[in-house]
Amino acid sequence: GDSVTQMEGPVTLSEEAFLTINCTYTATGYPSLFWYVQYPGEGLQLLLKATKADDKGSNKGFEATYRKETTSFHLEKGSVQVSDSAVYFCALSEAYAQKLVFGQGTRLTINP
Amino acid sequence: SAVISQKPSRDICQRGTSLTIQCQVDSQVTMMFWYRQQPGQSLTLIATANQGSEATYESGFVIDKFPISRPNLTFSTLTVSNMSPEDSSIYLCSVENDGGTGYGYTFGSGTRLTVV
Repeated sequence: GDSVTQMEGPVTLSEEAFLTINCTYTATGYPSLFWYVQYPGEGLQLLLKATKADDKGSNKGFEATYRKETTSFHLEKGSVQVSDSAVYFCALSEAYAQKLVFGQGTRLTINP
Repeated sequence: SAVISQKPSRDICQRGTSLTIQCQVDSQVTMMFWYRQQPGQSLTLIATANQGSEATYESGFVIDKFPISRPNLTFSTLTVSNMSPEDSSIYLCSVENDGGTGYGYTFGSGTRLTVV
């Protein structure tokens, strides 16, 4: 079945550092890919998405590119802020299944 | 995107009791999804609820333990029955955004359940 694998966490960075959180997937079809963020004590929010190969999703300075050849959707940000501290989830959805399959989540802590 | 109101936001319950979680959506949606997030873990789909039909449960989840109601296109409930400490989790409902799968899903704020 479909699956999503994220890099192990937790990740701790200093403010203004460059961020990469790796995400790879296994799917039988052509899924849509998502990054969700969960801030402390809050629910999940959609951060960005991409629906087909080579699409780049972007939001709040974060970017991720749908790479079909490497089945990856890595999350990047050029300069992180303390307010980016949260848990980040990579997820996929296939149209036929109409449900989200999540990675295990990566806890990110940004120190001032 | 839809707006979901989920309640209660948290509860502490005695083992052996049941808790019903409600989700109200501000627009009509065909399917609603219920997820569980165990402490420090990712989200796992419990079931998919269509209006007017029985919910479809994922492997490892059964209707007797997690009965779901879907009386109309804007509302659903999930009941956690005969609770044990292992049921302590965050429970979230979700709906697909307008436009289909590629537009993502909106989540409720979650119900943090602690069973003592």
